[in-house]
Amino acid sequence: KAGVTQTPRYLIKTRGQQVTLSCSPISGHRSVSWYQQTPGQGLQFLFEYFSETQRNKGNFPGRFSGRQFSNSRSEMNVSTLELGDSALYLCASSVRAPFYEQYFGPGTRLTVT
Amino acid sequence: ILNVEQSPQSLHVQEGDSTNFTCSFPSSNFYALHWYRWETAKSPEALFVMTLNGDEKKKGRISATLNTKEGYSYLYIKGSQPEDSATYLCAEETSGSRLTFGEGTQLTVNP
Repeated sequence: KAGVTQTPRYLIKTRGQQVTLSCSPISGHRSVSWYQQTPGQGLQFLFEYFSETQRNKGNFPGRFSGRQFSNSRSEMNVSTLELGDSALYLCASSVRAPFYEQYFGPGTRLTVT
Repeated sequence: ILNVEQSPQSLHVQEGDSTNFTCSFPSSNFYALHWYRWETAKSPEALFVMTLNGDEKKKGRISATLNTKEGYSYLYIKGSQPEDSATYLCAEETSGSRLTFGEGTQLTVNP
């Protein structure tokens, strides 16, 4: 069974631009969560989608948004990029939540200059 | 405890040593406790999900216990091997699906 895939793997953007990251979950998984990892901050929860509905959102500004499609693929968008948005963005999928293991993708490394 | 806390922050052991790490969590609105293993340049890998007080899980040489009443979990590695070198993360699941991660314990096993 194919794992979680994320595209692109690396991205360089300029401050003020916007970016869209994509996540394809494991087949049959309906829950997709997004996390941000920055040095010294650890993994921070962004949001979780299940059956195209956002069920949970972390403490991030409105510039961070996402959506999930009917095939469970998810996208995350960051508008008006700031230098502090430079991070590794991970998505994870699970059959459903709560109580189930989350399977992580390889991440997208975003650098904002 | 307001956040998920892990100790120690890092650990260096010799091959064959047994070791353990601690994860402390707030335990209000608790759903589950997750343990992950994260090797450099790889994705975090799920080890265990535990939900009930007193839960014990085992996978090979790695095991974990859970105490929800006092808000802690232990991860044990028996007979550490160099391939066990990784960062071990715990995360508390609250509000159904929201994971709050600790900063991790970085384990280095020297041959």
